[in-house]
Amino acid sequence: AQSVAQPEDQVNVAEGNPLTVKCTYSVSGNPYLFWYVQYPNRGLQFLLKYITGDNLVKGSYGFEAEFNKSQTSFHLKKPSALVSDSALYFCAYTGGFKTIFGAGTRLFVKA
Amino acid sequence: DSGVTQTPKHLITATGQRVTLRCSPRSGDLSVYWYQQSLDQGLQFLIQYYNGEERAKGNILERFSAQQFPDLHSELNLSSLELGDSALYFCASSVENRASEQYFGPGTRLTVT
Repeated sequence: AQSVAQPEDQVNVAEGNPLTVKCTYSVSGNPYLFWYVQYPNRGLQFLLKYITGDNLVKGSYGFEAEFNKSQTSFHLKKPSALVSDSALYFCAYTGGFKTIFGAGTRLFVKA
Repeated sequence: DSGVTQTPKHLITATGQRVTLRCSPRSGDLSVYWYQQSLDQGLQFLIQYYNGEERAKGNILERFSAQQFPDLHSELNLSSLELGDSALYFCASSVENRASEQYFGPGTRLTVT
């Protein structure tokens, strides 16, 4: 079955440090992978996507993600975290006409 | 602002009742998606419409139904409501399937008492 996993419920990082939010996938065919962010009491916002091509994808707010086919991963990264990055992050996969979201990872950035 | 609007923002109703949630997609988007977000089950895909036709079904209960109208707005109907239906319901829209990112509305918070 197609699935997307976010192995960490929560990630804590100090402001200014690099951050990584992990995502692994189990899908058939070529995956279309996405990252979204959700701030409190708001809808999800699109950050970036991987469709094909360069394995390093750059997105909004300084975020980037690396597609790794051999490790079936699509980790979200940022070189220097901000307190304002604290939010809920979702990895998602689109296959056929369905979108499958991971369970979400809550990121806390401490000043 | 994503350009996707949802009404109402909040809805409180009693068990056994029926409610209708409304969504207007971004201008130009033909696809509309409905999701349910609850604390214990995360974000669950319910159903997708493309240009008025149903395209995909997810974990949508038989008590729930949806449609997309010719003007592309969509409605999600929830009937015989149960306490467990209390959740945030999001609508999203996109230009096309698969490779396109989705733009989410602010959600409707449904509370069933």
